[in-house]
Amino acid sequence: EAQVTQNPRYLITVTGKKLTVTCSQNMNHEYMSWYRQDPGLGLRQIYYSMNVEVTDKGDVPEGYKVSRKEKRNFPLILESPSPNQTSLYFCASSSEAGGPPDTQYFGPGTRLTVL
Amino acid sequence: AQSVTQPDIHITVSEGASLELRCNYSYGATPYLFWYVQSPGQGLQLLLKYFSGDTLVQGIKGFEAEFKRSQSSFNLRKPSVHWSDAAEYFCAVGAWTGNQFYFGTGTSLTVIP
Repeated sequence: EAQVTQNPRYLITVTGKKLTVTCSQNMNHEYMSWYRQDPGLGLRQIYYSMNVEVTDKGDVPEGYKVSRKEKRNFPLILESPSPNQTSLYFCASSSEAGGPPDTQYFGPGTRLTVL
Repeated sequence: AQSVTQPDIHITVSEGASLELRCNYSYGATPYLFWYVQSPGQGLQLLLKYFSGDTLVQGIKGFEAEFKRSQSSFNLRKPSVHWSDAAEYFCAVGAWTGNQFYFGTGTSLTVIP
């Protein structure tokens, strides 16, 4: 089954404790992206990747890191989480990059709470 | 600056009634427009998209949307709402380079029997 998976689905952590949220897609998609969803703000793009080793900032990249060492995986790293990063996070992928935007396939989301 | 506005935070409709969800965008080039639906506890699923051509586009689950360039709008419609349509709906615009996407704040739909 074609899908985007995220782990963990739920995470409660404390300020300053480094964490990684994994994202994996099995569709051989070039493009991957991370979003955060907050009430009243909708989805905001954190980082995106056009292909392996090609990443760039979205609208709200501060406090986040990403890497794309393999085509299928696009982990989101919070080196020193803070309470304002408490949010619902979505990973998404689409088949092509660098041309007109295509349909994105979303993962189920990761709900992160930073105490 | 690119932006998407969904003026209705929450809409309640009766089952069987028609539905229109509003979306206005601001984008300096040809807009690539999307509507996504998010059911409770789920990720987002594409309903429909507009790239070019016919300004009335059909999507899944009986939804359609009309692109009006003069009004910078891309409103979503359904002639008869079902209880299973209760969800949150997001309008989005994609940059022509295919890298950045801008989402609206969403419209939450409640369907009453």
